[in-house]
Amino acid sequence: DAKTTQPPSMDCAEGRAANLPCNHSTISGNEYVYWYRQIHSQGPQYIIHGLKNNETNEMASLIITEDRKSSTLILPHATLRDTAVYYCIVRVELTNTGKLIFGQGTTLQVKP
Amino acid sequence: DSGVTQTPKHLITATGQRVTLRCSPRSGDLSVYWYQQSLDQGLQFLIQYYNGEERAKGNILERFSAQQFPDLHSELNLSSLELGDSALYFCASSVRGARNSGANVLTFGAGSRLTVL
Repeated sequence: DAKTTQPPSMDCAEGRAANLPCNHSTISGNEYVYWYRQIHSQGPQYIIHGLKNNETNEMASLIITEDRKSSTLILPHATLRDTAVYYCIVRVELTNTGKLIFGQGTTLQVKP
Repeated sequence: DSGVTQTPKHLITATGQRVTLRCSPRSGDLSVYWYQQSLDQGLQFLIQYYNGEERAKGNILERFSAQQFPDLHSELNLSSLELGDSALYFCASSVRGARNSGANVLTFGAGSRLTVL
């Protein structure tokens, strides 16, 4: 699995956009970028994934750079309930069995 | 409710004992994954089953074993328990799990918290 690098922690003001960066400079052409989050001791929750194009769903937006070596997860209007550990995961589709390997993630603290 | 059901939610036992954790995947999902999360560590992948067969193995101890049954539910057996086995154990499921498949989203359960005294 390609390695990802995320800042260990970030703060964000409630109501503002939270932009969480992820570097995946060794990503290959067939690898997807997945984002999950884990709210204290709960099961990890899927947020969004993408391959080449930017993606948006009801939870967040995913911006992937043209060279695919980095991406940014955007929570447009962060709330206190968005305080969690956010994981960026890159996984090979064609040779991998589907498992996800989690790194240390970014602890996002949303403050009032 | 994610659709992945794990039982029990909490379990307290003594060192040397054996426990079984159970996971029912989301309806229609064929793959089941087990993860361990200790207090001071991240999510560690243990093992994956796809349609009843072992598909991938991670950092799973020899004292631990798992299986997936014909109805697709899975059990994780932990034996000769040690204090260090105290952790959250998560199960996840997905539709896919075979090679050459497309995007594969895992759905996680709420976890089973194991405390070994």
